Amino acid sequence: RKEVEQDPGPFNVPEGATVAFNCTYSNSASQSFFWYRQDCRKEPKLLMSVYSSGNEDGRFTAQLNRASQYISLLIRDSKLSDSATYLCVVIVYYGQNFVFGPGTRLSVLP
Amino acid sequence: DAGVTQSPTHLIKTRGQQVTLRCSPKSGHDTVSWYQQALGQGPQFIFQYYEEEERQRGNFPDRFSGHQFPNYSSELNVNALLLGDSALYLCASSSKTGTDGYEQYFGPGTRLTVT
Repeated sequence: RKEVEQDPGPFNVPEGATVAFNCTYSNSASQSFFWYRQDCRKEPKLLMSVYSSGNEDGRFTAQLNRASQYISLLIRDSKLSDSATYLCVVIVYYGQNFVFGPGTRLSVLP
Repeated sequence: DAGVTQSPTHLIKTRGQQVTLRCSPKSGHDTVSWYQQALGQGPQFIFQYYEEEERQRGNFPDRFSGHQFPNYSSELNVNALLLGDSALYLCASSSKTGTDGYEQYFGPGTRLTVT
């Protein structure tokens, strides 16, 4: 089993739609979780950290379920500019390397 | 404040050759990690350098080696290049002593093509 798995995608949604991405991780000792966004042929950029209590940043909401080892990202009112690949990232211990999921590609259509 | 920089941006090499990629971390960061991202996949961790030593290593062969300099910049060397080494190589910097916490900042990457 891979350490971090994500919905295979791609997701093609119309502008204004709500879309949710799922991510599961295998190591129950994992401590930190992030969603990164990667535009085509660019480097990954931090979208948001994921906290146990869940957190929201504008149209984006991230949730963590430690018992199920599951992370989600919800995007409301999708914009054309949201088109990108969304990478789920897990860190087991502080200072250690990022473990990336394979990414889920989102295309928001006009 | 300069972010993470990498050079070169693109590189074409032939099988069997050797390549060196370079990375300068974000100001104030002391730790550099290298990742390989094949087309359509997520980045895979190669190794991490801190205090001029390799601290962690992913599942990559010894053909992949690195170095960190006293100014915290880093190099990634790949020997005996294979076609499968074609990928985007990403450098990420972070701080073990600062206040950024877990966050890693990525450079724009070096796209290596092996023919």
